[in-house]
Amino acid sequence: SYELTQPPSVSVSPGQTANITCSGYKLGDTYTCWYHQKPGQSPLLVIYEDSKRPSGIPERFSGSKSGNTATLTISGTQAMDEADYYCQAWDSSTAVFGGGTKLTVL
Amino acid sequence: EVQLVESGGGLVQPGGSLKLSCAASGFTFSSYWMSWVRQAPGKGLEWVVNIKEDGSEKYYVDSVKGRFIISRDNAKNSLYLQMNSLRAEDTAVYYCARVGRYYDSGAAYYYYFMDVWGKGTTVTVSS
Repeated sequence: SYELTQPPSVSVSPGQTANITCSGYKLGDTYTCWYHQKPGQSPLLVIYEDSKRPSGIPERFSGSKSGNTATLTISGTQAMDEADYYCQAWDSSTAVFGGGTKLTVL
Repeated sequence: EVQLVESGGGLVQPGGSLKLSCAASGFTFSSYWMSWVRQAPGKGLEWVVNIKEDGSEKYYVDSVKGRFIISRDNAKNSLYLQMNSLRAEDTAVYYCARVGRYYDSGAAYYYYFMDVWGKGTTVTVSS
C-alpha cells in the first residue's frame, strides 16, 4: 500500500522557522494536504493543494513541493503551533496519511 | 455554523458490531463526499472510508473491507458507519470529516481536502 513518510519529531525555537517534510513515491503526481492536531482536539486543515491556506489559517503557515517531497513551513513559530502535523495525499479515490510529526517549540 | 457531530461509540466485545452516526449541519450535506478517519490511542490518523455525494461510490481501506459499511441519508443530513466483526485493532477515536473541494479553472481540476471534522466518538473493542 502507498505510504507517506514524515520525521517523527521536529524541534524549533520560538520565532524560528520549522520545516516538516513528507515523502512518497507518488507525491510528484498528486497534491498534498497538511493538518495539525493539538492534544485532545480534532485535526485542522492548514494547507491544501500543496501550498494553499484555508481562510483563517495564519500566513506563517506555507507549503511547497519538490519532486516526491512536500514540505510544511512554519515561519516565526509560536508556542501555540506546538502540535502533531500530518500530511495527506489521495491515491485514486482513497486517502493516505503520513505517520505524523510532533512539533516541539522549545 | 458548519458542524459535524459523531455518536454511537462505546465498548464492544471482539466479534461484535457497532453503528456510528454523524450528524451534519450548516452546509448542504448532499453536495459533499464524506469520510471516516480513525486514530488509535497514541497513534496517527488513519483514513477508513469515503462515500460519494449520492452514495453511489464507496472506497475502503483494506483492513476494514468486508467488515465495515459506510452509508448516508441525505434527507437526514447523516452519515453512518456500520462496523461488524470488530477486532481489538479497531479500537480508536472515529472522526467524521467533510471532503471539501476547490476547482482550479486553469487546470480544469478539482482538488480535495478534509476541511471540516467532528470531535470524534470513541470505540473500544475489548473483552
